[in-house]
Amino acid sequence: DIQLTQSPSSLSASVGDRLTITCRASQDIRSFLAWFQQKPGKAPKSLIYGASTLQSGVPSKFSGGGSKTEFTLTISNLQPEDFATYYCHQYYSYPYTFGQGTKVDIK
Amino acid sequence: QVQLVESGGGMVQPGKSLRLSCVGSGFSFSDYPMHWVRQVPGKGLEWVAVLAYDGRNRYDADPLKGRFTFSRDNSKNTLFLEIHSLGVEDTAIYYCARGRVVVGVPARYYIDYWGQGTLVTVSS
Repeated sequence: DIQLTQSPSSLSASVGDRLTITCRASQDIRSFLAWFQQKPGKAPKSLIYGASTLQSGVPSKFSGGGSKTEFTLTISNLQPEDFATYYCHQYYSYPYTFGQGTKVDIK
Repeated sequence: QVQLVESGGGMVQPGKSLRLSCVGSGFSFSDYPMHWVRQVPGKGLEWVAVLAYDGRNRYDADPLKGRFTFSRDNSKNTLFLEIHSLGVEDTAIYYCARGRVVVGVPARYYIDYWGQGTLVTVSS
């Protein structure tokens, strides 16, 4: 199985900050990587697929990058509604897998 | 708008079976692959399976083989997940999610929309 390791596992940030979360895959997954946002008590929300393509309706403050084994999710101008847990997800090979999550909270 | 509504969760005793449903609306259900993802409350996401459009092709996480039955009824816009011989390790929120295909060999399926989830609690 492909393992996805996110770093950091948690971070504290301030409103207006720009932050980057990293997701490392245990083998080459080309660009078959997605990012999701989940707020407490809510279902996940899809943000990005294909490593860098925004899902419909997702604001451009979110951006994704990378390929093969190293990927990033960057959030600019952090706002209160962005404090959440973020997951990366590979759909390159079965079984599909998720990273362990990165919790972003308010400093 | 796209809506996915899961149902069928609840408290169930170990060893029993349970069938979860997911009804899709706001899109042509039969044109989309569908995923199941589960999450132990307070923990991370675990991918369970994806079913292709017609339900004939499906891929799932190996540890689940034999206890999970996946199906869909496109005439009713409904996805099903039946879990047999439930154990406490199956306690989780079960989400259905709509898939989008990336054409290729093999085809790959990413998620675009999620349902709100249904909680399954296995306890005696």
